[in-house]
Amino acid sequence: NAGVTQTPKFQVLKTGQSMTLQCAQDMNHNSMYWYRQDPGMGLRLIYYSASEGTTDKGEVPNGYNVSRLNKREFSLRLESAAPSQTSVYFCASSDTLSNQPQHFGDGTRLSIL
Amino acid sequence: SQQGEEDPQALSIQEGENATMNCSYKTSINNLQWYRQNSGRGLVHLILIRSNEREKHSGRLRVTLDTSKKSSSLLITASRAADTASYFCATAAFYGNNRLAFGKGNQVVVIP
Repeated sequence: NAGVTQTPKFQVLKTGQSMTLQCAQDMNHNSMYWYRQDPGMGLRLIYYSASEGTTDKGEVPNGYNVSRLNKREFSLRLESAAPSQTSVYFCASSDTLSNQPQHFGDGTRLSIL
Repeated sequence: SQQGEEDPQALSIQEGENATMNCSYKTSINNLQWYRQNSGRGLVHLILIRSNEREKHSGRLRVTLDTSKKSSSLLITASRAADTASYFCATAAFYGNNRLAFGKGNQVVVIP
């Protein structure tokens, strides 16, 4: 049982390049989330998807787009990468029911030069 | 949006000692959760305490919640070197689609 799988694990981009971060979960969860983690900042929510076919902005959505491809997969796209988007990106999933924990992948470490 | 804030930020203790971390938040919550993050890894859920609960235990973990003070504490008893990690509190609002607002985290180092 893999849980939440993120690809790639590491990536280096040049400013202006585009990239899609992939996330898949095998726990049949309805809800999926994308966070970024910066030193001293904790985790900040970028986008989330409460169920298949819906997406909503989180705390820091500017510069990102998402696609909920199906129930299992939720991708995050950087259309024109900027150095300020250098961060560690985490995908998570959870059941829709109230009072449920989130399950996290191991992250994608993204550097933008 | 509500946000957990942990205190202290960094803690260094000897193996066998207890470690206590605190978290405060600003608005009403549905539940509060604690997560652990080992270096280079994702977050792992430790324990969830609902707004109508005051204390919860899981193994060597004890969590308290004081909704009147909008604060929570995580106690790790008889710490082990393997407990070395960052610990985050996160709050979930009512009707928030299980979205979480995370604090900045506590780094705990357990010295063997």
